[in-house]
Parts: sequence; structure tokens; C-alpha cells
Amino acid sequence: DTGVSQDPRHKITKRGQNVTFRCDPISEHNRLYWYRQTLGQGPEFLTYFQNEAQLEKSRLLSDRFSAERPKGSFSTLEIQRTEQGDSAMYLCASSSPGTSYEQYFGPGTRLTVT
Amino acid sequence: QKEVEQNSGPLSVPEGAIASLNCTYSDRVSQSFFWYRQYSGKSPELIMSIYSNGDKEDGRFTAQLNKASQYVSLLIRDSQPSDSATYLCAVNIERGFKTIFGAGTRLFVKA
Repeated sequence: DTGVSQDPRHKITKRGQNVTFRCDPISEHNRLYWYRQTLGQGPEFLTYFQNEAQLEKSRLLSDRFSAERPKGSFSTLEIQRTEQGDSAMYLCASSSPGTSYEQYFGPGTRLTVT
Repeated sequence: QKEVEQNSGPLSVPEGAIASLNCTYSDRVSQSFFWYRQYSGKSPELIMSIYSNGDKEDGRFTAQLNKASQYVSLLIRDSQPSDSATYLCAVNIERGFKTIFGAGTRLFVKA
């Protein structure tokens, strides 16, 4: 059973550029979450998908952020017009159907905006 | 008031001792509670989940939940240097739609 995978693992970009990250959840997991984590803080919730439906999006998320999960499998997170404050670890997690809501994290994508 | 609060630490315990990590939360309708371990530069790893009041044991780990006091804790028995990490408390709000994490408690286990 393969775990959650994320690509790329590291991304360095210049301010103003667009970036896109990919997350492949554990197979059979219909729930998928995106988080952002900065140094010394816990993961900050960004958005949640159940199958292909985006059911929750953080109010903290600006319009520059968008996420998709078109076929209920992998998901992408795009950040447009990146800013230095977007530098962080972007984490994806998935969980199985049912009532446990246990989330399993991928290795993360570390974004550095210069 | 933060939704999930943890003492940032660091908490330092000698090898073989019991480490006690605490977490309080503000949302009374929360139903699911989790502890994650995160090593420096790595992603969080689920170590315990708890859903009802009382204790839940798994190996050297025991999670304790008191919904009336809005309090959840993690005990690590026979602490090992390899337990040195940041421990994150997480609380599910609204049936899995949103999970709020605390800032984490750094634990150091001295050999």
C-alpha cells in the first residue's frame, strides 16, 4: 500500500510566478486535504475535498489559491502571482471513507519564493 | 482564544520517564481528536486517534480525552531519545470537513 505522494518535493520560484503542486492520495481514500505549514506552527487548513467536490475552503485563502480534484483521485493546488509570504511547506493528506477521519500526510512540497 | 492550544515547550524528560503532553480545544461539538508526531523537516505522522471520553492505549502511548473539560492529552511511557520530536494535537470540526492543529509541543528525551 503506497502512501500519499506529492510532487515536486521542492520548488523555488520568483515572486509573481505561478506554481502548481500535485498530490496523489492513498488509493480508496475519498477525502483529501491541503494544508500549509510554516516554521514553528502546526499545519494550517487550506481546503478539503470529498471525492471531486471541494466542500470547504479556508477563509484565510486568498483568491490567488485554487485547488482541484477533477476525477476524485489526484489533486492540484495552484498559487498565482506568488508572494514571499507564500513560502512554506504545503502538505497534502488523505483519509478513508467512514467515520474515523484519520488523515495520512504526504511528504510535502517546500515552496521558496525569492 | 486559539481553537487548539498546546504548550510549545520544549518539554525535556530523561530516557525511560513518562512524557505528558496536553492540549485544550475551544469547539464543544468536536468529535475526533488526534495526535501526530513530526520530526524536523518531515511531515506529520499519525500516532493516536481518540473519539470518546476516557483512555486509549497503544503500545507506549496513551491518549486521554475529557470532553467536559475540552482537554486531550498524550502520555508516552518509557520515553526514548527517538521520541524527540514535535507532537501536534489535532481536532476535527464538523465531521471531518476541517481539522485544526495546535502549534505543537517540542519534546526532548535525554539519553
